[in-house]
Amino acid sequence: GQNIDQPTEMTATEGAIVQINCTYQTSGFNGLFWYQQHAGEAPTFLSYNVLDGLEEKGRFSSFLSRSKGYSYLLLKELQMKDSASYLCAVRDLGSGTYKYIFGTGTRLKVLA
Amino acid sequence: DGGITQSPKYLFRKEGQNVTLSCEQNLNHDAMYWYRQDPGQGLRLIYYSQIVNDFQKGDIAEGYSVSREKKESFPLTVTSAQKNPTAFYLCASSNTRGSYNSPLHFGNGTRLTVT
Repeated sequence: GQNIDQPTEMTATEGAIVQINCTYQTSGFNGLFWYQQHAGEAPTFLSYNVLDGLEEKGRFSSFLSRSKGYSYLLLKELQMKDSASYLCAVRDLGSGTYKYIFGTGTRLKVLA
Repeated sequence: DGGITQSPKYLFRKEGQNVTLSCEQNLNHDAMYWYRQDPGQGLRLIYYSQIVNDFQKGDIAEGYSVSREKKESFPLTVTSAQKNPTAFYLCASSNTRGSYNSPLHFGNGTRLTVT
């Protein structure tokens, strides 16, 4: 089956670093994506991993371990505008078609 | 500018009525997707299509129907058989050819309320 797990909620302080974890189980793993979603808006793409290791993009980094079915999103120098939900999504190539499967999202609150 | 257009942004319907949500993209993407999001929840896949005139059921297809007669368009019909249709509906597309790391691009969503 397919399953993606993330913590429901996290709280951090402005200027700090926060790590949001994601574990997954899929039959046809073909990449892992992180999205940011502000309340009432569409998700926006943050990062992508298909090979093991760390991808860095400014204040955001994402890590993947395929053998452990594990990823994390690291947000540095937190700002108030980073308060949002962060969605982990796996692209699955089971049965020859691309599906993007999402976790339930992690709601991050950044406090002043 | 290329993008995905969903209309309308807000939609109100009476119970028992079918309603069709529009999704148009000019990104020249082959694949298109419909997701449903309930308050405080993640995205659940309703239907997806990799090419014109072909589509597959996602995890929660019951009570929904789609068509893919043109590459640019992937309308979703919420039928009266859908038990809890009130939700935020998101359409997305991706490039499945060549671009290995192609993410999903989302429209701005349609918030459907059925009373």
